[in-house]
Amino acid sequence: DTEVTQTPKHLVMGMTNKKSLKCEQHMGHRAMYWYKQKAKKPPELMFVYSYEKLSINESVPSRFSPECPNSSLLNLHLHALQPEDSALYLCASSQRSSYNEQFFGPGTRLTVL
Amino acid sequence: QKEVEQDPGPLSVPEGAIVSLNCTYSNSAFQYFMWYRQYSRKGPELLMYTYSSGNKEDGRFTAQVDKSSKYISLFIRDSQPSDSATYLCAMIDSGGSNYKLTFGKGTLLTVNP
Repeated sequence: DTEVTQTPKHLVMGMTNKKSLKCEQHMGHRAMYWYKQKAKKPPELMFVYSYEKLSINESVPSRFSPECPNSSLLNLHLHALQPEDSALYLCASSQRSSYNEQFFGPGTRLTVL
Repeated sequence: QKEVEQDPGPLSVPEGAIVSLNCTYSNSAFQYFMWYRQYSRKGPELLMYTYSSGNKEDGRFTAQVDKSSKYISLFIRDSQPSDSATYLCAMIDSGGSNYKLTFGKGTLLTVNP
């Protein structure tokens, strides 16, 4: 299995809602990442998990809360988001967190009303 | 000066043409180079990963790295309409940010039948 999967594909939420994005990989990778991508822009790194521990938080607002329940799963919990948070949220994984090529999932397209 | 410069295009070519996509960079610490293809509203797909100067070939794709000139290229031979996508170069430095992909802005390619 050489895929990174993400659910849901699309999500629409209000500013007071709580929702979660899910990411899964079965490649034995020990680093997982969350990125945010706005239209016609490259992905921007949000979080890095290495061996299930949060190793990098790129100054992301606390309304985004990542969680890594095990080596194959990565969640992103969303609460009290703003309309400007609407974007494509991408999960990626790599063998380790340094010097390795990263494989991306298809993304979750999030719309905040 | 941005760390990674990539001509955003758009680039439009006839089917069968040879396509050349390029990125320049200013940070000598960049040592690992990737090319991603991203179809509209999908996640980036890794095409090529290389860390040494010279050429690396995979089917119709050839990645070229010239570290002395700080220049990387992706060549697509016999281009097909299915190659129509945005192409992103990405780099990792060998210093403290060895987990972080620095992306170019992406080049939008259209291959016309």
